[in-house]
Amino acid sequence: KNEVEQSPQNLTAQEGEFITINCSYSVGISALHWLQQHPGGGIVSLFMLSSGKKKHGRLIATINIQEKHSSLHITASHPRDSAVYICAASNFGNEKLTFGTGTRLTIIP
Amino acid sequence: DAGVIQSPRHEVTEMGQEVTLRCKPISGHNSLFWYRQTMMRGLELLIYFNNNVPIDDSGMPEDRFSAKMPNASFSTLKIQPSEPRDSAVYFCASTSYKRQGVNYGYTFGSGTRLTVV
Repeated sequence: KNEVEQSPQNLTAQEGEFITINCSYSVGISALHWLQQHPGGGIVSLFMLSSGKKKHGRLIATINIQEKHSSLHITASHPRDSAVYICAASNFGNEKLTFGTGTRLTIIP
Repeated sequence: DAGVIQSPRHEVTEMGQEVTLRCKPISGHNSLFWYRQTMMRGLELLIYFNNNVPIDDSGMPEDRFSAKMPNASFSTLKIQPSEPRDSAVYFCASTSYKRQGVNYGYTFGSGTRLTVV
């Protein structure tokens, strides 16, 4: 069993819809990361959070430490949001990342 | 800042040849990571350095792979001899880590797409 689980694996939605991607982890962490990767592209770090909520533009990331669960939300989704979103955990005292399998998001105009 | 710089962007080589991938981390970052991404296995850690010292190389597939970080601004990942199963995208990333267990956001390079034929 992977230490970091994401759902759904694939998500297709219409432009403008509210998007939620979920991430659960089974290890103790110092931070939970959300990454974005466009097709054939590099990896961009969207958020790093250890508690509460962070917001950047139309993206919101939340984490519940007790439940070992994080969510990434996208409001007013746009076709340019189409990408693979990856959550990753970094452990206490050891900053290497353990990755989820990714969620492939497709936003249809 | 130019970000994490990797070279080359693409590499096509014949089986058995030596391949060297290069990475320049962000200035001031003291941790550097090499990751490999394949369709089958996703993103995997190969090795990481803290203050130029290798900390965890358990992800290095076998003796054909080696990595060095001779100084804070440069690292190499070498594959010798290369095999078709090494074909993947190799990412370098850097971050700043403090002893208190706090780390900061990661910055990834654009990756090197390696094809071994």
